[in-house]
Amino acid sequence: GNSVTQMEGPVTLSEEAFLTINCTYTATGYPSLFWYVQYPGEGLQLLLKATKADDKGSNKGFEATYRKETTSFHLEKGSVQVSDSAVYFCATGNQGGKLIFGQGTELSVKP
Amino acid sequence: NAGVTQTPKFRILKIGQSMTLQCTQDMNHNYMYWYRQDPGMGLKLIYYSVGAGITDKGEVPNGYNVSRSTTEDFPLRLELAAPSQTSVYFCASSPTERGIEQYFGPGTRLTVT
Repeated sequence: GNSVTQMEGPVTLSEEAFLTINCTYTATGYPSLFWYVQYPGEGLQLLLKATKADDKGSNKGFEATYRKETTSFHLEKGSVQVSDSAVYFCATGNQGGKLIFGQGTELSVKP
Repeated sequence: NAGVTQTPKFRILKIGQSMTLQCTQDMNHNYMYWYRQDPGMGLKLIYYSVGAGITDKGEVPNGYNVSRSTTEDFPLRLELAAPSQTSVYFCASSPTERGIEQYFGPGTRLTVT
């Protein structure tokens, strides 16, 4: 079945630093790819998604590009803020409308 | 729209007790899901439903049961609670299989002692 591997955390950055969180996937076919964000004490929220190869998802300054050749969907942001501190989950779609999640990467941004 | 709501927010159970975690969505979504999130781990799918009256097992269904009598409600039942069921439980819903964007509730933190 499909699976997702993302870089381990925690990641600690200073405000305005560049962020990359790596995510690679294995899948049959070409599933949709997602990044979800979980702020402290809350449920997950969809951050961005891409539904086919070479698509770029973007939202709130975050971007990720669906790379079929490297089976990757790395999350990037040019200048992080303290308010970006959260846990980020990469996910891939599976049959029957199910999502397969990575283990999550905790990001802490210091002022 | 309230979105996906879950009750209770927190609960402590003794080993062997039973309880039902409630989940309701007001978006008329057909698909609904129950996940558990253990510390430092991703989410694991417990059960899911593609519509009223239809449910199916996910990755980790043992020790849980579900029902889906209406589009809005998808309760998760724990029978004979065990310490291994200590976790945070999230309910989610989705309007359609295509794109599989899911909307999550705020979670229920359950401790079994």
